[in-house]
Amino acid sequence: ENVLTQSPGTLSLSPGERATLSCRASQGESNNYLAWYQQKPGQAPRLLIYGASTRATGVPDRFSGSGSGTDFTLTISRLEPEDFAVYYCQHYGSSPLYAFGQGTKVEIK
Amino acid sequence: QVQLVQSGSEVKKPGASVKVSCKASGYTFTTYAISWVRQAPGQGLEWMGSISAHNANTNYAQKFQDRVTLTTDTSTSTAYMEVRSLRSDDTAVYFCASYYRISYYYGLDVWGQGTTVTVSS
Repeated sequence: ENVLTQSPGTLSLSPGERATLSCRASQGESNNYLAWYQQKPGQAPRLLIYGASTRATGVPDRFSGSGSGTDFTLTISRLEPEDFAVYYCQHYGSSPLYAFGQGTKVEIK
Repeated sequence: QVQLVQSGSEVKKPGASVKVSCKASGYTFTTYAISWVRQAPGQGLEWMGSISAHNANTNYAQKFQDRVTLTTDTSTSTAYMEVRSLRSDDTAVYFCASYYRISYYYGLDVWGQGTTVTVSS
C-alpha cells in the first residue's frame, strides 16, 4: 500500500511569503500521477496540480508543483489571503487507487 | 457546466445503513468513473472506492470492502454509495468526485458538495 506523508503538518506564514509543502510517497513509481488539492473549511477539495507539475484549469501561476519518484513539492510563490487553507497531495496507483496524504495546513502567522 | 450534486444530510443510528446519491450533469455520465472520498470531522481525505459508470466495475479500499457498495443508474446519471452496519466513527462528510478535463490517473477535478452523515444513538 502506498502511503503519502506530508510535511510540515502546519505552516505559519504571512501574506506575500513563499510556502513550500512536501509530500513523500512510501513507494516510488516511474509515473508522476501526483496531484495537489486545496481545501477550505466547509468546501470540497479543489484540484490545483496534476501530473506533479501541471496546473489545473483556472489555477493561478503562483502555484507550482515539482518532484518525481517519491518526493514531491507544492510551492506557492507569494501567499495571497485566499491561499490560507489545507493542502493535500494524492497519488494514483494500484493500492489504493487514490491515496491521500494527511494534509498540510497553511495558516496566517 | 459539469456538476455533481449530492443528496442531503443524514442522521443514522449505529447498525443502520445509509445510501448517498450523486447526480451528474453537464457531461456524458457513462464516459467516466465516480469515486467516493470521506472526511471525518477535523481529519483528512480518505478514498473509499470507485465505480465505472460505463460497465459498473468497482474498486474498493480494503478497509471498506465488506461494508460499502457502489452502484450507478445510467438512466438518471446517478451514482450511489451505501454503507452498512454504521458505527460512530463513520460520522463524516462523504464526497463523490470524478475526472473530466484530465485522465483518471491524474486526479479528481470535479467534486460534489459533500453529504454529512452523522451516526449517533
